[in-house]
Amino acid sequence: KAGVTQTPRYLIKTRGQQVTLSCSPISGHRSVSWYQQTPGQGLQFLFEYFSETQRNKGNFPGRFSGRQFSNSRSEMNVSTLELGDSALYLCASSLAPGSTGRYEQYFGPGTRLTVT
Amino acid sequence: GDSVTQMEGPVTLSEEAFLTINCTYTATGYPSLFWYVQYPGEGLQLLLKATKADDKGSNKGFEATYRKETTSFHLEKGSVQVSDSAVYFCALSDLEYGNKLVFGAGTILRVKS
Repeated sequence: KAGVTQTPRYLIKTRGQQVTLSCSPISGHRSVSWYQQTPGQGLQFLFEYFSETQRNKGNFPGRFSGRQFSNSRSEMNVSTLELGDSALYLCASSLAPGSTGRYEQYFGPGTRLTVT
Repeated sequence: GDSVTQMEGPVTLSEEAFLTINCTYTATGYPSLFWYVQYPGEGLQLLLKATKADDKGSNKGFEATYRKETTSFHLEKGSVQVSDSAVYFCALSDLEYGNKLVFGAGTILRVKS
C-alpha cells in the first residue's frame, strides 16, 4: 500500500512570494494533518482536515491556509513568505480524527521549503 | 496549554548499551502518549503508544510505560544497535475530537559500533 506522498520534496522561494504544497494521503484515509518542523520551534501543528472541513487549527498566522478535496488530497498555502517560514512541512494521514489520537497517523517525507 | 519535555541530546551510546530517553508531559485532559522516530531524510514513524495509565507500549525492543502519577513516558531499550541512530520524539494527543499531536523537542540518538 502506497504511503503518504508530498510534492514537491524541495522548494526555494523568495520573500513575499506565495507557495502551495500538496499531500496525498494513504488510500482510504480521510483525515489529513499538517505540521511545521524547524530547528528553533520543533514540530508544530498547523491544521487538520476531515471531509473537506478544517477540524482543528494551530497557532499560526492567517498567511497559512489549507484545504482538502473530495478525494482527501490536501494542499496548504503560505502567502507573503517570510524568512522564518523556511522549514520542513510534514503531512500526516489517518483513517479519521479519532479521540485523543486513537487512529495512527502516517507521516509523509515532507516538503523542504527554503525562503531567501 | 499542553506541553512535552524531553531530555536534551545528543545521546551517544555504544552498541548494545542500555537506552533511556526521558519524557514528561503537561496536559489539561487525559492524553494518549506516543514515541515517534525520524530517520535522516524521512518523515516520522510511530514507534509505540499508550492510551491510559500503566499501559506499556512496546515495539522493536523499545518500551515505554504511561506513568500518570509522575506524568512521564520514558523510552527504554535494553540493547541499542547502530541502526537505532535517529531522532526520537515524545508526543501527546489530548483532543476529544482530532489527531493534533503536541511534540517534544526531540532527542538525537547516536549509536557507535
